Amino acid sequence: DTGVSQDPRHKITKRGQNVTFRCDPISEHNRLYWYRQTLGQGPEFLTYFQNEAQLEKSRLLSDRFSAERPKGSFSTLEIQRTEQGDSAMYLCASSPTGQAILPRHTDTQYFGPGTRLTVL
Amino acid sequence: AQSVTQPDIHITVSEGASLELRCNYSYGATPYLFWYVQSPGQGLQLLLKYFSGDTLVQGIKGFEAEFKRSQSSFNLRKPSVHWSDAAEYFCAVTSKTSYDKVIFGPGTSLSVIP
Repeated sequence: DTGVSQDPRHKITKRGQNVTFRCDPISEHNRLYWYRQTLGQGPEFLTYFQNEAQLEKSRLLSDRFSAERPKGSFSTLEIQRTEQGDSAMYLCASSPTGQAILPRHTDTQYFGPGTRLTVL
Repeated sequence: AQSVTQPDIHITVSEGASLELRCNYSYGATPYLFWYVQSPGQGLQLLLKYFSGDTLVQGIKGFEAEFKRSQSSFNLRKPSVHWSDAAEYFCAVTSKTSYDKVIFGPGTSLSVIP
């Protein structure tokens, strides 16, 4: 069981630099989610993919943020021109195709360990 | 506004004691409710979830939660806490509305005294 993996686990960068994070979901999970978690808070939804299609984006995802899932497997989250306010834990989750009668967000989401970003 | 509150920021209990973590939600639609646990350096793990039916749901690691619609609550309980239960606990809510997302509460940090 390989679970959801994220790389890197930690990233320290200087303000203004670009960073890219990678998420590898559980094999055959067709849904992939990105969340952001700041200290002392619960995760906040950023975006969601169904296979390679990005279906939803939170208003938290400014134009400096872009996410891709080109082949419907792994996903990348890029932050351009990082700001100190971007410092957070970035979590990825995946879920399998659920029952047709249940909404997509009720499928069990399996979370990765996260990438902790520090912007100096 | 849709929200989840967890009134207790931090709770300390002795090993073997019972535990109850509170969760209240404000949601316009019929809620689907979750409890997740997050240990240091680990990803979030689903403990249990409620969609419909029996309002008392059983989860993993001996946890259970009770949905009370009249109180807009979904409190998590465990009869006897183990030292390994020390972690951050998050309550979350969503619904079947098309544009709803999973909304997480701020979390409750649990410490266990040996």
